[in-house]
Amino acid sequence: DAGVIQSPRHEVTEMGQEVTLRCKPISGHDYLFWYRQTMMRGLELLIYFNNNVPIDDSGMPEDRFSAKMPNASFSTLKIQPSEPRDSAVYFCASSLVGPNTEAFFGQGTRLTVV
Amino acid sequence: TQLLEQSPQFLSIQEGENLTVYCNSSSVFSSLQWYRQEPGEGPVLLVTVVTGGEVKKLKRLTFQFGDARKDSSLHITAAQPGDTGLYLCAASDSNYQLIWGAGTKLIIKP
Repeated sequence: DAGVIQSPRHEVTEMGQEVTLRCKPISGHDYLFWYRQTMMRGLELLIYFNNNVPIDDSGMPEDRFSAKMPNASFSTLKIQPSEPRDSAVYFCASSLVGPNTEAFFGQGTRLTVV
Repeated sequence: TQLLEQSPQFLSIQEGENLTVYCNSSSVFSSLQWYRQEPGEGPVLLVTVVTGGEVKKLKRLTFQFGDARKDSSLHITAAQPGDTGLYLCAASDSNYQLIWGAGTKLIIKP
C-alpha cells in the first residue's frame, strides 16, 4: 500500500484566498483524521471521520475551516478565507480500528498564507 | 483537561551517548504510544504500551510504561545520528481518543 497520500505538499497563498487540502487514506482504514502542527501549539486534532461520517469536529478552529469525506478514499480540508495565522503543516492520518489506535500519517501539506 | 507533558523539550547530544526522555501526566491512560517524526515527514509509530510497568525494546530503544499508567519513558542506548527527530507521545483518553504531547526534539551529532 502506498500509505496516506496528501496533496499538495506545499501551498503558498495570499490572505483571503480559498485553500483546499486533499487526502487519500489507506484502503480499508475506517478512520480518517486531520491534524495541524505548529511550533507553538504542537500537533492538534482538527476533525476525524468514521466510515466517512464526521464524528468530532471540536478541534476545528472556526467556521472558516470545513472538512468533507465524500467517499472512503478521499477527504478534503478547506479554509475560506485563509489568514496568515493558518500557516502550519496540515497532516492527514488514517487508522484501521479506532481513534485511539495506531495512526498512519501522510507527509503533510505545508501551508503558508502571506 | 488531560495533558501530556514531555521533557526535555530539546536535547542535543553526541553520537554514542545514552539518553532518556519522558512523557508525564496526572491522568491514568489505557494505553500510550510513542512516535518519531523526521523533518518533512509525518509521525511514525514506534511502540504501543498497554500494561502498567510494561517494558518494550526496539533495538537500542527501551520504552517503559509507569506502574500507575500515568507516565512513560524512552531510553536510547548509544545514540546514532539516525535517531535524530521529534519524539511524540500520545495517550488514549477516557473518550478513546488520542491526546498528544508537545514532543522532544532530539539531535544526535556525529
